[in-house]
Amino acid sequence: KQEVTQIPAALSVPEGENLVLNCSFTDSAIYNLQWFRQDPGKGLTSLLLIQSSQREQTSGRLNASLDKSSGRSTLYIAASQPGDSATYLCAGLDNAGGTSYGKLTFGQGTILTVHP
Amino acid sequence: EAGVAQSPRYKIIEKRQSVAFWCNPISGHATLYWYQQILGQGPKLLIQFQNNGVVDDSQLPKDRFSAERLKGVDSTLKIQPAKLEDSAVYLCASSSRLAGGQQETQYFGPGTRLLVL
Repeated sequence: KQEVTQIPAALSVPEGENLVLNCSFTDSAIYNLQWFRQDPGKGLTSLLLIQSSQREQTSGRLNASLDKSSGRSTLYIAASQPGDSATYLCAGLDNAGGTSYGKLTFGQGTILTVHP
Repeated sequence: EAGVAQSPRYKIIEKRQSVAFWCNPISGHATLYWYQQILGQGPKLLIQFQNNGVVDDSQLPKDRFSAERLKGVDSTLKIQPAKLEDSAVYLCASSSRLAGGQQETQYFGPGTRLLVL
């Protein structure tokens, strides 16, 4: 059974800092690893998706890496801004592709606060 | 492109009452998911549909929860009777498959926030 853990549970940083959010998973046979953002009272927005054959993905100030052998993924946010304040969730997708349908297992999230 | 729609946005009920949530996925998305997100936790998959068939309902408490997607589009999730521990946000998501067979990312609705008193 896949278990996903995120560290830290909460993080508060001043504007402009670079920061790293950590995610670990127990089953390395994941199909892909995704990072989501959740704003209060809203649904989840996909930020980055890393296929199992890839090692990283970049979008603007965000960079996510995946190391299947160690069961870890990191989300790097460069030059953080107050608008980045949200909860960040990572999720592993297992057993997808072909005719099977994968299941996402989420971590508990990291609550990020970027103060001016 | 319209996103995933859910209603109601908020619901307050007393324990042992019944409640139903509605979801309209993104047009053309064959796969629909219902998640339960308890405060301070990540979403947990309750049920997954492919068109109008159930793919995975292993984590659905079937003694009180039920879900259907009769025409392979809209879906409803029902709780009967509700318990205090059902207080959570219920998220609906949908996705499609890419041409190569890879599963596309899931698109989430805003959720329904349920409080059971």
